[in-house]
Amino acid sequence: SQTIHQWPATLVQPVGSPLSLECTVEGTSNPNLYWYRQAAGRGLQLLFYSVGIGQISSEVPQNLSASRPQDRQFILSSKKLLLSDSGFYLCACRSRGYNYGYTFGSGTRLTVV
Amino acid sequence: AQSVTQLDSHVSVSEGTPVLLRCNYSSSYSPSLFWYVQHPNKGLQLLLKYTSAATLVKGINGFEAEFKKSETSFHLMKPSAHMSDAAEYFCVVSDRRASSGGYQKVTFGTGTKLQVIP
Repeated sequence: SQTIHQWPATLVQPVGSPLSLECTVEGTSNPNLYWYRQAAGRGLQLLFYSVGIGQISSEVPQNLSASRPQDRQFILSSKKLLLSDSGFYLCACRSRGYNYGYTFGSGTRLTVV
Repeated sequence: AQSVTQLDSHVSVSEGTPVLLRCNYSSSYSPSLFWYVQHPNKGLQLLLKYTSAATLVKGINGFEAEFKKSETSFHLMKPSAHMSDAAEYFCVVSDRRASSGGYQKVTFGTGTKLQVIP
């Protein structure tokens, strides 16, 4: 079964500082990988998805970027954080095949101050 | 086009009473449907999924959901609420046809917060 490791669990960063959130996957190969953000009082918003190494697609324009340097590693980054980047970030993976659900990481709660 | 509507943003029930969380969907193709639960400050956990087998799907922790194509609904139910059920629940729809890039479009509902009153 798939397992996702996501860190850190909580993070407080000043405005203008850089960001790097990392996610690694075990138990599957060549998965689809996703970064979601959940802002307070809202549902989940898809930020980025990746179908393979080096392949990143962005769903919404924003201050963030993503990279997939290895098959089972997905990184969310920012050069300069904004207050509006605060939220709960979730990494997810899904094995190929439509009848597989998602496996989610435990999330990172980011507060930009 | 694909969309999910969770009809209630908040639901309050007394412990030991039934739970019903409503979800309606629209999809251009036969969809896969999922319910996820998120406890405070934790990641999402899959409760159950429908992928075209039996229309009544049983999940973990006593939850079940019924796929009704004629009503385009996939409501989540539990006969008797427990205090540990207090969490946020997300209904998710996924088109079965993948895009040319191998990505299956997935849409999340906005979530329903379940409060269980002792």
